[in-house]
Order: sequence, then C-alpha cells, then structure tokens
Amino acid sequence: DTEVTQTPKHLVMGMTNKKSLKCEQHMGHRAMYWYKQKAKKPPELMFVYSYEKLSINESVPSRFSPECPNSSLLNLHLHALQPEDSALYLCASSPTGASYEQYFGPGTRLTVT
Amino acid sequence: QKEVEQNSGPLSVPEGAIASLNCTYSDRVSQSFFWYRQYSGKSPELIMSIYSNGDKEDGRFTAQLNKASQYVSLLIRDSQPSDSATYLCAVTPYSSASKIIFGSGTRLSIRP
Repeated sequence: DTEVTQTPKHLVMGMTNKKSLKCEQHMGHRAMYWYKQKAKKPPELMFVYSYEKLSINESVPSRFSPECPNSSLLNLHLHALQPEDSALYLCASSPTGASYEQYFGPGTRLTVT
Repeated sequence: QKEVEQNSGPLSVPEGAIASLNCTYSDRVSQSFFWYRQYSGKSPELIMSIYSNGDKEDGRFTAQLNKASQYVSLLIRDSQPSDSATYLCAVTPYSSASKIIFGSGTRLSIRP
C-alpha cells in the first residue's frame, strides 16, 4: 500500500481565516514533506519532517506553520494567507529520507480570496 | 545553470512509437534519480527510480542513467494516449540528501 491521504480536497478561505491541511500515511514512512505547486510549475519544497522532527524549512513565511503530531500525521496550519498563496498543496512521504522514493498524496487545492 | 533541466516540450509522439524524455543535472555527485508522471490537475506519481549507471526496465518504461555525462532519460515504448502527461525528473543532490530537486517537467502528447 503506497497511499498518502490528504484532507480536504478543496479549500476556499479568506485572508483573515485560520485553517489546517491534514496528511496521513500508514506505510511506516519516517520522512514527510509539504510541497506547494503553482500551475505549470514543478512542486516546490516547503518543509521536511524526519522522524517527527522538522529538518528543513525552505524559508517559508510564518503564515504557514507545520506540525507533525506523530509518525503517521502531518498538518499544515494556515493563517492570514495572501491570494498569491493559492496553489495545490501536496504532502509526500518516504521511508527515511529523500534518497528513497517519495509518494505523493492527491493534494489540497487551496484558493485564498 | 538550473540544478535539474528538462525540455519543457510539448513533445508529440505518435501512438505506438517510443517516447524519449531527457534530463540533465548539475550536481556531479547526485545519488538518486526519479521520474514522476503528473496528469493535469493531479498529483505527481512515481513511475521509476534509478540509483546506478545503466538501464532499468519496468514494463514499457526504461530509465537510463549516465553519471559521467550527468544525464538521465526515460523511454516509453509502445506509447499510448494515456501516457499523455507532464513528466518530472527529480534528483537528490549529495549536498542535501533530505530533499529532491525537480526539473520543470516535459509535457508529452501522444497523438492517435
């Protein structure tokens, strides 16, 4: 089973709202990732968690706040977003690190109004 | 120089022919190489990984790696209309084994 699940599938939020994106995997993977993807562009890495610890933050604005409650779950908390933050947000996992294959979830399509 | 470079396409190939997708990378000591397929509006799907020089075959797909030339390619035999998608090359740089760097993708169109 190589499934990564993400909820919600779609999210529309205003610039003053607070919302969260959720990601879950049950493959026993110990590395999890958040990516942002704009139309016709490749995925852009935001955060990496390795063994439930934040190991990489690619200089992401503080209005994005990641959380890894346990080895199967990854959240992305959103607050005071801008319209330019509208994108497809992808979660991925891999057995330990990126030297291994990463498996992506279906993504959350976020629209900021 | 971009870390991972791909021709953006579109690459148009007749049905049943071989589609050849190419990728070059700048970090000479990169260790891991991946090909992802992404349909419009969907998430990337891993189709091949390759770690050592040579060819790796999986069904209709063959990945080829040449570390001396810093070149990785993907061949799709007997191309089908369902292969029409964007193909993303991804590389793990030696400098940061915790992440992968994506190329900008090649759009492939299989014409019936």
